Parts: sequence; structure tokens; C-alpha cells
Amino acid sequence: NAGVTQTPKFRILKIGQSMTLQCAQDMNHNYMYWYRQDPGMGLKLIYYSVGAGITDKGEVPNGYNVSRSTTEDFPLRLELAAPSQTSVYFCASSPTGRTEAFFGQGTRLTVV
Amino acid sequence: GEDVEQSLFLSVREGDSSVINCTYTDSSSTYLYWYKQEPGAGLQLLTYIFSNMDMKQDQRLTVLLNKKDKHLSLRIADTQTGDSAIYFCAEANTGTASKLTFGTGTRLQVTL
Repeated sequence: NAGVTQTPKFRILKIGQSMTLQCAQDMNHNYMYWYRQDPGMGLKLIYYSVGAGITDKGEVPNGYNVSRSTTEDFPLRLELAAPSQTSVYFCASSPTGRTEAFFGQGTRLTVV
Repeated sequence: GEDVEQSLFLSVREGDSSVINCTYTDSSSTYLYWYKQEPGAGLQLLTYIFSNMDMKQDQRLTVLLNKKDKHLSLRIADTQTGDSAIYFCAEANTGTASKLTFGTGTRLQVTL
């Protein structure tokens, strides 16, 4: 039981490049989330999903896209990377959406 | 919107008690959480409390909730060097798919 797995752990992108941050969970959780954590700040919600085929915007969705074709996977897409997207990205999942959220180890992204 | 505030830094001596404070603005908050983040790692849930409770104790951890003042605290008894980490307060309310709103985090430093 791996929990929430994020790949890659680190990535450097050039301005304007695209990439997909992968997130997979093996706990059969319906709820999944993407957060970003900027230095000295709390986590900000980018997108979330309450089940396969359903996604919704969080607090800071601009510049990102998501899809949820399966219960297990919730990839986050950056289409045109900008320096403001330099951050640590965390994926999380939750069984009921009201109790514990399980977090991945994070992806540290630098856009130069 | 919702706002959660914490002090940024706390330093305590090993063996002393630590008290980390948090204030929130959303009066409809139903669930309040404390997460721990160790360096380079994701967030790990320490404990949570429902808004209809005043206190919750779990081994060395005591959570106090003052709903009238919208104030939440986490007390760690007999603080150890392994408790050094960033502690995040978070809140969610019923029906919001557990879209956690996080505080900025309090960095706890434990000295010998």
C-alpha cells in the first residue's frame, strides 16, 4: 500500500515549457486535491476532484489544468510555465472529504 | 473568504511544553486540523477536532478549541527534538469537499 505517489520529485522547467505532474493513490479514495506551497506560506488549493470524471477549481487555478479519468490518478498540467509557478506541489487524497487527507511527498518545481 | 493565521516561529527547550496557536475566521468551520511537515516531506495529520468539542487529548498532544474566539491551539507535552517541524493549522466546513484552508505554518524549533 503505497498511499499517494507523486512524480517527479524535482523538475526544472524553462519559461513557456509544459509538463504534467503525476499523482496516483491506491487507497480507492474519491477525493483528490492539488495544492501548492510557496516559501513561508500555507498551502493553496489549485484544483480538486470528488470522483472520477469530476473536477473543480480551487483558490489558485490559473495556469493549470487537471483531469480525473480514473479514481487512482489525478494529473496536474502546466501548459506555459511561468516563474510564478515555481513552488512545491502537493497532491492529497481523502476517503470522505471530511476527515484525514493523505499527502504525497511533493514535487519541487523551478521555472527559470 | 476563509482565513487562518498562525505565528511563524516558536522555540522551546527539550522537555518543555510547546503551545502553537491558530486563529480562523470562518464561523461555519466544522473540522479543524493540525498537520506536521518535516523537512522535505509531505504533510502528516496529527489530530483533528470537531467544532462541537472543546478539547481533545491524544498522548502528548492536547488540542483546545475556543469557538467563540475562533481560536485553536496545539499543546505538545515533553517536547522532543523529533518534534522539530512546521505545524499547520487547517479548517474545513461541511459540504465543501474538505477543501482545507491552511494557515502559514509555525516552525517549531526544539533546543537542547
